[in-house]
Amino acid sequence: QVQLQESGPGLVKPSQTLSLTCTVSGGSISSVSYYWSWIRQPAGKGLEWIGRIYTSGTSNYNPSLKSRVTISVDSSKNQFSLKLTSVTAADTAVYFCARGLIGATSFDPWGQGTLVTVSS
Amino acid sequence: QSALTQPASVSGSPGQSITISCTGTSSDVGGFNYVSWYQQHPGKAPKLMIYGVTKRPSGVSNRFSGSKSGNTASLTISGLQADDESDYYCSSYTSSSTWVFGGGTKLTVL
Repeated sequence: QVQLQESGPGLVKPSQTLSLTCTVSGGSISSVSYYWSWIRQPAGKGLEWIGRIYTSGTSNYNPSLKSRVTISVDSSKNQFSLKLTSVTAADTAVYFCARGLIGATSFDPWGQGTLVTVSS
Repeated sequence: QSALTQPASVSGSPGQSITISCTGTSSDVGGFNYVSWYQQHPGKAPKLMIYGVTKRPSGVSNRFSGSKSGNTASLTISGLQADDESDYYCSSYTSSSTWVFGGGTKLTVL
């Protein structure tokens, strides 16, 4: 059974870069059947899709974040990562990683989420 | 891309049925059979309940069902139970090869 776990700093200063890693266990990140996504949720608010990547390296990003986001894959570590540059308080949120099944175009399973606070 | 439109809240009594709507455009909900629904309890990660508009993942109760008409998708929960009280989010693939979520609906079981 595949499990995902987010990790990274819980506090980032304004204007700096937010970096998170999602470790996949119980399955290979290199499977051609899946893509890997990041989704975030500000406190008390709804979900916002950030982006996704295939193991081939092909990626798609939310247009509202595209200029600041990079998602990458490290197959040797069975991990994928998120970098979000020039952060502001508006980027404070719980960040989830999730697996997507090609053809089902849905997200399952999800990591437990990690809270990132942007503050000086 | 704009968020899909969901009612902020719905409620029902145990045993009743409720329906949550999710309205988008022809570029997302109406253009693809790629609507999914997620249940999120407080402090927890979302759980996939419906994908591909109508399909249920293994382990999800058949009390949960999905449908779509035009640009609006719907999630119906029959035989409401106390544990169904949660936030529900819809999501759709879009013509830009991105995803968009709804604003979420809080279900209260009276």
